Amino acid sequence: SQTIHQWPATLVQPVGSPLSLECTVEGTSNPNLYWYRQAAGRGLQLLFYSVGIGQISSEVPQNLSASRPQDRQFILSSKKLLLSDSGFYLCAWERGGAYNEQFFGPGTRLTVL
Amino acid sequence: AQRVTQPEKLLSVFKGAPVELKCNYSYSGSPELFWYVQYSRQRLQLLLRHISRESIKGFTADLNKGETSFHLKKPFAQEEDSAMYYCALRGVGNEKLTFGTGTRLTIIP
Repeated sequence: SQTIHQWPATLVQPVGSPLSLECTVEGTSNPNLYWYRQAAGRGLQLLFYSVGIGQISSEVPQNLSASRPQDRQFILSSKKLLLSDSGFYLCAWERGGAYNEQFFGPGTRLTVL
Repeated sequence: AQRVTQPEKLLSVFKGAPVELKCNYSYSGSPELFWYVQYSRQRLQLLLRHISRESIKGFTADLNKGETSFHLKKPFAQEEDSAMYYCALRGVGNEKLTFGTGTRLTIIP
């Protein structure tokens, strides 16, 4: 069966520090991968998605970047965190194709102080 | 552009009463529509998709192209239905899902 992992679960970082959040998927190959930010009252905001190794599409211009160094690994990064980067970050995967379900990770709660 | 609107941020319903969570969408073609649910301390997960035309946990949702709506309904609410519900849309051939802002449903015992 397929599983998706995210770490860390929680993170407290000072403003200006770097960020690296990791997401890995097991039990499938060539998944589509997604990073979302979930905020109360604002729903799920798609940040990045990837349909293959090294292929990244950015949805919202911001202080963050994403990379996919391996087929089942998706990394969310920042060189210098802002206060506004605080939030709950979700990773998801799906098989490509119509009407497919997205499977979500447990999320990372990021607090920037 | 594709957009999903969930007009109710909060909805409280008594146990046994009918539930309707509203979802309206904006998309020029034929969309794929989904409802996702997040129960307390659980991961976000798919509840149902319009193509399946099935009832999941007593919930159904009908795509109304004339009104561009995909409302989620259940005739008799149960306490375990309390959760955050998100409506989502994908355009044909698109890898992206667009989510609404979500509705927090609380079932009053």
